[in-house]
Amino acid sequence: GEDVEQSLFLSVREGDSSVINCTYTDSSSTYLYWYKQEPGAGLQLLTYIFSNMDMKQDQRLTVLLNKKDKHLSLRIADTQTGDSAIYFCAESTPSNTGKLIFGQGTTLQVKP
Amino acid sequence: DAEITQSPRHKITETGRQVTLACHQTWNHNNMFWYRQDLGHGLRLIHYSYGVQDTNKGEVSDGYSVSRSNTEDLPLTLESAASSQTSVYFCASSESSNEQFFGPGTRLTVL
Repeated sequence: GEDVEQSLFLSVREGDSSVINCTYTDSSSTYLYWYKQEPGAGLQLLTYIFSNMDMKQDQRLTVLLNKKDKHLSLRIADTQTGDSAIYFCAESTPSNTGKLIFGQGTTLQVKP
Repeated sequence: DAEITQSPRHKITETGRQVTLACHQTWNHNNMFWYRQDLGHGLRLIHYSYGVQDTNKGEVSDGYSVSRSNTEDLPLTLESAASSQTSVYFCASSESSNEQFFGPGTRLTVL
């Protein structure tokens, strides 16, 4: 079945780049997503990438997709304390119309 | 502005009681979802609906039920609350296979 894996914790210093990694198992994934969850709040979509793309850039965010290795990463440039949150990777597949499979979430801690 | 709301935001109940968590969206989305969030497990899908009168079981549906009598609402019912159902519950809605919009969550404690 589908599985999405993330490391649980990442700590960086303010101003550094953060790279959050995700692996998935279903090669038929159509879209891959990054959601951000701030303390006490719901999830908000940060960005997503279609499976036929290798890279997507949106201001400080860069998403890289390696379909061969089924590896997705989110790079946050010039990380700020406001970026401290839990980041979830998720995938959608043709066999799961409208549904998303989420990873466990990576807690990003940004130290001043 | 369109939104998705959940109520209550916090609930404490006793084992064996029936509990209903409300979810209401004003986007007129056909797809609605219930997840639970637990440490180390991420978000796990409980039930989902693709439209009025449609409901489907997710990954962890035992002990939960939903009903969809209109487009805006998908209430989640715990028939007989158990301590293992202590969790944070999120409702979400979407119109396509793309972005899901999430509610603020309900923190449920079962004593």
